[in-house]
Amino acid sequence: QSVLTQPPSVSGAPGQRVTISCTGSSSNIGAGYDVHWYQQLPGAAPRLLIFGYTNRQSGVPDRFSGSKSGTSASLAITGLQAEDEGDYYCQSYDSGLSSSAIFGGGTKLTVL
Amino acid sequence: HVQLQESGPGLVRPSETLSLTCSVSGYSINSGFYWGWIRQPPGEGLEWIGNIYHSGTTYYNPSLKSRVTISLDPSKNQFSLKLTSMTAADMAFYYCARAEFWSGFDYWGQGALVTVSS
Repeated sequence: QSVLTQPPSVSGAPGQRVTISCTGSSSNIGAGYDVHWYQQLPGAAPRLLIFGYTNRQSGVPDRFSGSKSGTSASLAITGLQAEDEGDYYCQSYDSGLSSSAIFGGGTKLTVL
Repeated sequence: HVQLQESGPGLVRPSETLSLTCSVSGYSINSGFYWGWIRQPPGEGLEWIGNIYHSGTTYYNPSLKSRVTISLDPSKNQFSLKLTSMTAADMAFYYCARAEFWSGFDYWGQGALVTVSS
């Protein structure tokens, strides 16, 4: 079981908006470590989308945005497109695990 | 343009040691950043293995720490992973990646599939 909790799956029709949550605890998000988001398309390596909760990596469309609330973070995708279908992971660090990097379990996005 | 490429055997026998190398181009690993290894069993999620800072300081996943060694070879602009006592549970895609301090992994290799079988 992952230290960061994500919903296993989300879905939406083209053009719609979806959000993916990432829930942590006082030893990671609550301890002040940032959250970063990755997109992994089928058969490809993960790609950094968002770093530091809200900052888009160079080349990432502004349809992707991140936010923070307490010990949780969220990734929002607006104007959903078929090519957005894939897996999304949040990542942070954890002081209770010797400052290890930690990943959420991943969320599969299906574009209907 | 920064690029990372994993190399190493695709098949390892049970109980043996996995050795993988990540070749970096477009950036000198001596200049900064953390250089890390992440793995992903087919169909499953991502698991961080460990990082090495450009100074040589290492950070390991506590669950793997007793079996992992990550090292730098600045002369070849490469860094390496050794994972001992391999079992079927270690079968995965192994990725190398770069990260800023406490930040995300911004560049990744394409991944290397490692199978454990006799």
